[in-house]
Amino acid sequence: GQNIDQPTEMTATEGAIVQINCTYQTSGFNGLFWYQQHAGEAPTFLSYNVLDGLEEKGRFSSFLSRSKGYSYLLLKELQMKDSASYLCAVRDADSWGKLQFGAGTQVVVTP
Amino acid sequence: SAVISQKPSRDICQRGTSLTIQCQVDSQVTMMFWYRQQPGQSLTLIATANQGSEATYESGFVIDKFPISRPNLTFSTLTVSNMSPEDSSIYLCSVPGAYTEAFFGQGTRLTVV
Repeated sequence: GQNIDQPTEMTATEGAIVQINCTYQTSGFNGLFWYQQHAGEAPTFLSYNVLDGLEEKGRFSSFLSRSKGYSYLLLKELQMKDSASYLCAVRDADSWGKLQFGAGTQVVVTP
Repeated sequence: SAVISQKPSRDICQRGTSLTIQCQVDSQVTMMFWYRQQPGQSLTLIATANQGSEATYESGFVIDKFPISRPNLTFSTLTVSNMSPEDSSIYLCSVPGAYTEAFFGQGTRLTVV
């Protein structure tokens, strides 16, 4: 199984940068995902890392260090619409598509 | 990317009754997954829906409470049986993408009164 930890809540102002950390302890690893979830909606895929390093996609970047069991999601130029829960999830090595999720980090963007 | 249609989108049910949630995918997929998201919490995997065989349940979830059907490679149902208020949650189906991400249905928001 997996143990996935991420902060409960973070607050930042519009236009700023926020980094959401995720640590995991795994018995098998086949990739780490970040999802965004607005209240009452389904999760939306943001990024995927399976190799060490940084993946950049517009205002969002995600980093992975497999040796440290560590990832972060970087949100730049924050906008009010970025207020949401951000979920870190690890894919099981034994089952493609089966994910274990962290508790989620609620990001609050203030004017 | 896969398009997943899930219904109903929401329902309010009496305790002791059952609700069946449907998940339809626009392409054939080998595996489908059912998740539960209790209020204020993250997603927890209930089971893997296998076509042609019984579903595989995660620890803490049993077939009598959450029977699952998977009659073909594009469709699955999850039933929440003998409901209690503790079953009030969002239920989501998910399928893996061809390469990386997992796709989610819109979710079913269930309230048990």
